[in-house]
Amino acid sequence: EVQLVESGGGLIQPGGSLGLSCAVSGFTVSFNYMAWVRQAPGKGLEWVSVIYTDGTSYYADSVKGRFTISRDNSKNTLVLQMNSLRAEDTAVYYCARDVSAGDYIFDHWGQGTLVTVSS
Amino acid sequence: IQMTQSPSSLSASVGDRVTITCRASQPFTTSLNWYQQKPGKAPKLLIYAASSLQSGVPSRFSGSGSGTDFTLTINSLQPEDFATYYCQQSYITPGFGQGTRLEMK
Repeated sequence: EVQLVESGGGLIQPGGSLGLSCAVSGFTVSFNYMAWVRQAPGKGLEWVSVIYTDGTSYYADSVKGRFTISRDNSKNTLVLQMNSLRAEDTAVYYCARDVSAGDYIFDHWGQGTLVTVSS
Repeated sequence: IQMTQSPSSLSASVGDRVTITCRASQPFTTSLNWYQQKPGKAPKLLIYAASSLQSGVPSRFSGSGSGTDFTLTINSLQPEDFATYYCQQSYITPGFGQGTRLEMK
């Protein structure tokens, strides 16, 4: 059974840093394109970042230079390191698998982890 | 590419047929996908590549379209279908529509 479980969310002050993890079971993270998608409270979905199987990564303009996506292959986990956090980064963060390897068809999602950026 | 969904909200009854539209700011040939999201839950893939039904999704859901105009149709609405629906394009980087909230009349 495929499962994605995010962790690491919480309350953080503006300017702070936070690392999110997405522990995956049922498939190998490093063999798949993986993404982070976020949803601000009461708002729609916003793609954040993607990492390809070859390690290439892309970011939304809103997080470029502040967020870093990576993998921990030993733990079969996707990671999102978030620095210089802003109030507008407040959202539920979901990890998702791109089953199409580049066509961004997200077939499996985690349950999400809430990040609140506030003083 | 910007995706615009219409309507933003929709009231319907069990058994109704509903159609949600997604319009792109420019034509594209990569995948157009549809997701369903219920409150407090993760999105669920319904349709990919405009018209392909994801495994396990009921056949009352269907998708069509190409270029800039796409539609999601739900035939014979069931109580569990009341949710928010998002379209998503995959041109270069993925982008979502603003969502359509489907409410019970």
